[in-house]
Amino acid sequence: KAGVTQTPRYLIKTRGQQVTLSCSPISGHRSVSWYQQTPGQGLQFLFEYFSETQRNKGNFPGRFSGRQFSNSRSEMNVSTLELGDSALYLCASSTGQTNTGELFFGEGSRLTVL
Amino acid sequence: GDSVTQMEGPVTLSEEAFLTINCTYTATGYPSLFWYVQYPGEGLQLLLKATKADDKGSNKGFEATYRKETTSFHLEKGSVQVSDSAVYFCALSDLYSGAGSYQLTFGKGTKLSVIP
Repeated sequence: KAGVTQTPRYLIKTRGQQVTLSCSPISGHRSVSWYQQTPGQGLQFLFEYFSETQRNKGNFPGRFSGRQFSNSRSEMNVSTLELGDSALYLCASSTGQTNTGELFFGEGSRLTVL
Repeated sequence: GDSVTQMEGPVTLSEEAFLTINCTYTATGYPSLFWYVQYPGEGLQLLLKATKADDKGSNKGFEATYRKETTSFHLEKGSVQVSDSAVYFCALSDLYSGAGSYQLTFGKGTKLSVIP
């Protein structure tokens, strides 16, 4: 079955703009998580959605937001972009009901902020 | 809070050499442990996992054993290949909040280069 799909794969924005990234989870998966990957900070948890509800949120400013739709697809939005927001944004999905926490990742959306 | 510490490398090995990447963790609960691999330009792929103490995860010749007494989950492979060149991440997953939400905490990653 198809894996986690993220769009767009690459994008370039300028400071102050906003960006929306999209994620389609594996069919049947109801949980979607987002992670930010940077060379300096590594992989950091942004938030997790399950059945359209945010269940968990990492330590990021309010400029980072997300949502999940009834078909489990998710979007994340970053407003008022800063240079430090340049990163690979990874989406991961799971059934949301496992007790092991195993996640399946997409290939990521690489954001460059100029 | 939870944390994962792994050797950061980079690690360079000759083909057929033995690989060990050390990983230790700190967690308040009873986490599951994972090794993920990231090939250039790609996302993360699950390599192996272990969900309880003394479990051994294995896949593609890689192995790791969940050691609760030493809070470790070291990755090993007896004979590496050029195709194993990638970045390897150790991670733990613990239950956060009563809503059943899991969150992965990652190590910094270890870049492995295997030369012919």
